[in-house]
Amino acid sequence: AQTVTQSQPEMSVQEAETVTLSCTYDTSESDYYLFWYKQPPSRQMILVIRQEAYKQQNATENRFSVNFQKAAKSFSLKISDSQLGDAAMYFCACCTGTASKLTFGTGTRLQVTL
Amino acid sequence: DTGVSQNPRHKITKRGQNVTFRCDPISEHNRLYWYRQTLGQGPEFLTYFQNEAQLEKSRLLSDRFSAERPKGSFSTLEIQRTEQGDSAMYLCASSLDGTRETQYFGPGTRLLVL
Repeated sequence: AQTVTQSQPEMSVQEAETVTLSCTYDTSESDYYLFWYKQPPSRQMILVIRQEAYKQQNATENRFSVNFQKAAKSFSLKISDSQLGDAAMYFCACCTGTASKLTFGTGTRLQVTL
Repeated sequence: DTGVSQNPRHKITKRGQNVTFRCDPISEHNRLYWYRQTLGQGPEFLTYFQNEAQLEKSRLLSDRFSAERPKGSFSTLEIQRTEQGDSAMYLCASSLDGTRETQYFGPGTRLLVL
């Protein structure tokens, strides 16, 4: 069975600063994809970034980047130049490969302060 | 693309009643997924379809739950004899064919069972 652990229930960052959200996972898949999703309050879940496990290069999407450590099964999300609109729940999700279903962590609530 | 849509957005029902939710995926997406999200938790996989075929069901999907995707387009999720423990957000997602494709989520249907 796949498991995803997000050990930070809440994080806070000042506007324009950088914050890193942690995620560890476990899977028996050898070739898989990992995802970070953002869920703003009362709004739908949207994809932030995805990482292909066979690619050593860390994925980046504008201000969002990941630090993917395959051997350690770690997949953290870095948000640079934080903006008020980044305030949301962030979910780490694993691991589509041979399996289709995603396993989600419990989420990290990110607060962005002025 | 209009995105994944779900109806109704909110549903309040009394214990013992039956409810049905609808999901319309992104057009051209062959795969459709149902997840359930309770307060303070990440989404949990319920079931998924490839076209009209239901390929996997979670143990969470008791015999009171049934999902269909009769023509490979929209899907319905029915809960019979609702219980208070069924209160949750029911999320639908869709993707292109293949386990490596990104899942795009709808806004969800929030169910409250009184």
